[in-house]
Amino acid sequence: DTEVTQTPKHLVMGMTNKKSLKCEQHMGHRAMYWYKQKAKKPPELMFVYSYEKLSINESVPSRFSPECPNSSLLNLHLHALQPEDSALYLCASSPPAGELFFGEGSRLTVL
Amino acid sequence: RKEVEQDPGPFNVPEGATVAFNCTYSNSASQSFFWYRQDCRKEPKLLMSVYSSGNEDGRFTAQLNRASQYISLLIRDSKLSDSATYLCVVNPSGAGSYQLTFGKGTKLSVIP
Repeated sequence: DTEVTQTPKHLVMGMTNKKSLKCEQHMGHRAMYWYKQKAKKPPELMFVYSYEKLSINESVPSRFSPECPNSSLLNLHLHALQPEDSALYLCASSPPAGELFFGEGSRLTVL
Repeated sequence: RKEVEQDPGPFNVPEGATVAFNCTYSNSASQSFFWYRQDCRKEPKLLMSVYSSGNEDGRFTAQLNRASQYISLLIRDSKLSDSATYLCVVNPSGAGSYQLTFGKGTKLSVIP
């Protein structure tokens, strides 16, 4: 059982839609992450929030917009996505320099 | 040289076999090392952290060789349920860093 909860598990959206992915953790971790994973590839870091501040943005296109409303929640707002953005989006949290705890992921399909 | 490199795989082994994976890292200042397991279409899950003294958990043994800059994972008495992709993860910058680096993963198939 994962202690990082992501919703929705599956999402299908058109290129003109606006949607959001949500992530919640109650382990008291102050670092939260968004990763993108394509088939047969390792997870690719998108964003890191540390103490609710954006600390790393790996040159992600602006059509992906992260938000950290509080220490337990992390959102990823999606707008005007492309079909190549279809992937598994993984949220994770961690203690400092510690291991990542992943949610089950949100599988996104962009039509 | 890539930051984290893993054996390319795939490894196809019979049940009961012993199999070992290696992972090399380029940054000698790296402080934290982990092995994750990922099943098809699932999230990665922590298998083991890797400590300087080496550590063992049942059939799994992880070791760190700082001089040669590699970590290894040994699986003894392989089970069908061990079939998965094994990801090596390294924290290249030590305490306070959140930028963990993933290897590309090694796929293991345990065959009946």
